Amino acid sequence: AQSVTQPDIHITVSEGASLELRCNYSYGATPYLFWYVQSPGQGLQLLLKYFSGDTLVQGIKGFEAEFKRSQSSFNLRKPSVHWSDAAEYFCAVGAPGTASKLTFGTGTRLQVTL
Amino acid sequence: DTAVSQTPKYLVTQMGNDKSIKCEQNLGHDTMYWYKQDSKKFLKIMFSYNNKELIINETVPNRFSPKSPDKAHLNLHINSLELGDSAVYFCASSGGTVVGNQPQHFGDGTRLSIL
Repeated sequence: AQSVTQPDIHITVSEGASLELRCNYSYGATPYLFWYVQSPGQGLQLLLKYFSGDTLVQGIKGFEAEFKRSQSSFNLRKPSVHWSDAAEYFCAVGAPGTASKLTFGTGTRLQVTL
Repeated sequence: DTAVSQTPKYLVTQMGNDKSIKCEQNLGHDTMYWYKQDSKKFLKIMFSYNNKELIINETVPNRFSPKSPDKAHLNLHINSLELGDSAVYFCASSGGTVVGNQPQHFGDGTRLSIL
């Protein structure tokens, strides 16, 4: 069965600083990988996804993520954080071809200081 | 023009009661889901329906009964509510039945509080 680990429960960065949120997965082959963002009181919004091909994927709101098979990682990055990026970020993994089951990590809460 | 809408947004009730949460999507998707997010923000799938057929049931207590009258609606009925049912319940939908290039779209959640 697949699993996801997000090692950082809480991260604080200054506005304008760069950001990297870590995600490690466990799966026997190449999974499908996703990053979602949850703002307070809101549902989850898809930031980006990786299925195959180029290991660096671009998403919305200036986010990108890089799939590294050797490290079983799919870290989320942003070069310059805005105060509106403060939210909870979830990494998720899905097994290709299986019945639509996503496994989510426990989330990383991002706080942005001005 | 909300894509996935859930009602109610907040639900406060007493232990032992029966309650329902409704979900509707206007994306034309075939597959809908219910997730539970606990107090530690851990998100876990409960059920998935495709074209009104149950395809995922993640060992959820049978007090929880999903019902899909059509592919645009997936309601969640909960009998004999317990304190441990307090959580945020998210509805989601996607265009396919398998994990592929059809990401899941989420509603804003229903915060259920059991007194």
